[in-house]
Amino acid sequence: EVQLVESGGGLVQPGGSLRLSCAASGFTFSDHYMDWVRQAPGKGLEWVARIRKKVNGYSTEYAASVKGRFTISRDDSKNSLYLQMNTLETEDTAVYYCARGVCSGDSCYVGSHWGQGTLVTVSS
Amino acid sequence: DIQMTQSPSSLSASVGDRVTITCRASQGIGTYLVWFQQKPGKAPKSLIYAASTLQSGVPSRFSGSGSGTDFSLTISSLQPEDFASYYCQHYKNYPLTFGGGTKVEIK
Repeated sequence: EVQLVESGGGLVQPGGSLRLSCAASGFTFSDHYMDWVRQAPGKGLEWVARIRKKVNGYSTEYAASVKGRFTISRDDSKNSLYLQMNTLETEDTAVYYCARGVCSGDSCYVGSHWGQGTLVTVSS
Repeated sequence: DIQMTQSPSSLSASVGDRVTITCRASQGIGTYLVWFQQKPGKAPKSLIYAASTLQSGVPSRFSGSGSGTDFSLTISSLQPEDFASYYCQHYKNYPLTFGGGTKVEIK
């Protein structure tokens, strides 16, 4: 069974940093692109970042709202995905989900396997 | 960036009703579109990818159509477990963007 379990959320002051983790199991982690998606309280979904596989050089993509402040990374030996969040703003308050990407041909979409989410609250 | 506009933002319907949600892209995206369902307090669940392909295990009352800029998600006969929020998302290029969501409520 595919499982994704996020951790690392919590309360942080504006300007602070936080590192989220996502532990994957039940599938060959190294074979998949991985995404972070967030949802502010009572709001819609926002894609945050993507990391490709080793064969793609672990290249990354980011939403404009987080580019330069957030860094997505992965450790295939630990079946783990990370999101390093720096210079946090109150607008970054959200539940953060990790999700497994699914690729078909040259296109990759956010698939049906998501974690339960971890809440990040940025407040003084 | 490609903007995704969903309508309506909310709707009230009864069990057994046929419901259609639309999603419009600000530029052509072919069929690079997924639909998600989200229930309160839960992670989203993918229903349809490539605009019209049903994910494994998703009931056949759900269907998707469209290409280019105009897409729709139809629930042929609304069931009690279908009351939820629905989101479209394109994957034509980066950044991937979601529509604003449609909340389907009980009439």
